Amino acid sequence: DIQMTQSPSFLSASVGDRVTINCKASQNINKYLNWYQQKLGEAPKRLIYNTNNLQTGIPSRFSGSGSGTDYTLTISSLQPEDFATYFCLQHNSFPGTFGSGTKLEIK
Amino acid sequence: QIQLVQSGPELKKPGESVKISCKASGYTFTDYAMHWVKQAPGKGLKWMGWINTYTGKPTYADDFKGRFVFSLEASASTANLQISNLKNEDTATYFCAREGAFDYWGQGVMVTVSS
Repeated sequence: DIQMTQSPSFLSASVGDRVTINCKASQNINKYLNWYQQKLGEAPKRLIYNTNNLQTGIPSRFSGSGSGTDYTLTISSLQPEDFATYFCLQHNSFPGTFGSGTKLEIK
Repeated sequence: QIQLVQSGPELKKPGESVKISCKASGYTFTDYAMHWVKQAPGKGLKWMGWINTYTGKPTYADDFKGRFVFSLEASASTANLQISNLKNEDTATYFCAREGAFDYWGQGVMVTVSS
């Protein structure tokens, strides 16, 4: 199985900050990398699919980049509603595997 | 709009069984497979497998062969996950997620196994 290493595990930031979250795959995943936001008790919400495609309805402050084994989620200017947990998913190879998550907290 | 609505939390004893559901709406149920994902407390997400909603054929990840059964009530646009002979380590939140590269997810069902 492909291993996904996500960093950092915790991130403390302020409203208006720019933040980045990273996922590194154990092998090339050909840009088949999604990013999700998860809030307690809610369904995970897909933000970005296939590295850099913004899901319909998601604000443009969210963006994704990367290739090969290294991928990044960027939030350009944090809003209060963005404080949540974020995780990545590779769906290039069976089975799909997930990053361990990043908890984004208010500083 | 597309929604996956899962059943409510469950409290079970070791050795018992549980069946949780995932009701889809807003799209043609049989057009998209359904995945199941486990999230144990304090742990990451783990893919359990998926079910072809057109044929009903399930595929299980290695760690979920034996006690886990995926099934359908296609007429009700519902996918089910049944876990038999529950163990403490089955305590987790279980999510359904639509194929379409895991685009839509249910809200999750917390299953607690405790004597």
